[in-house]
Amino acid sequence: GESVGLHLPTLSVQEGDNSIINCAYSNSASDYFIWYKQESGKGPQFIIDIRSNMDKRQGQRVTVLLNKTVKHLSLQIAATQPGDSAVYFCAEIYFGNEKLTFGTGTRLTIIP
Amino acid sequence: NAGVTQTPKFRVLKTGQSMTLLCAQDMNHEYMYWYRQDPGMGLRLIHYSVGEGTTAKGEVPDGYNVSRLKKQNFLLGLESAAPSQTSVYFCASSRQGAPSYEQYFGPGTRLTVT
Repeated sequence: GESVGLHLPTLSVQEGDNSIINCAYSNSASDYFIWYKQESGKGPQFIIDIRSNMDKRQGQRVTVLLNKTVKHLSLQIAATQPGDSAVYFCAEIYFGNEKLTFGTGTRLTIIP
Repeated sequence: NAGVTQTPKFRVLKTGQSMTLLCAQDMNHEYMYWYRQDPGMGLRLIHYSVGEGTTAKGEVPDGYNVSRLKKQNFLLGLESAAPSQTSVYFCASSRQGAPSYEQYFGPGTRLTVT
């Protein structure tokens, strides 16, 4: 079946550096993608989304890039802070069934 | 606004016991969802609702039932708990499905079945 996966399960980044979290998806028909952040003991929190007709979207300190040619999604976090330490999930949606399919997550650790 | 709240936060059940998890949202959202989260796996959709009085099966519905009698509440029931249902359960809500999919999640319920 279709799946959404992450390249790396863990990532450690020095505070102040930029981080990049990657995600591969397999459903070429997916219409919409979301990045969620989950801090320890909490539910996932929406970070940023992007539609399949876009290749880049920017938020506050975060940028999502979509490369449909290779079915790849990335989340860039600029000037990382200790509060960025969390697990990050990508999720995809195909409008045909309107259900989110989540990846397994990448744990980002910010080193002081 | 409290957002999405879940009760209880923790629960330990013995095999065969039953329980109900309560989810409440105060954002007047139409859509509500129940997910389970297991180590090494992404969130998996159990059941969802697109409005008061409606429910639908998700990816892993077996062993669970749900009810949406009021727009703000979504109940998840386990009739006869099994160790395989040990997990962290998350409720979420959203204003609508397509084209906006931002889901707001509750803090989770950690359930252990012995």
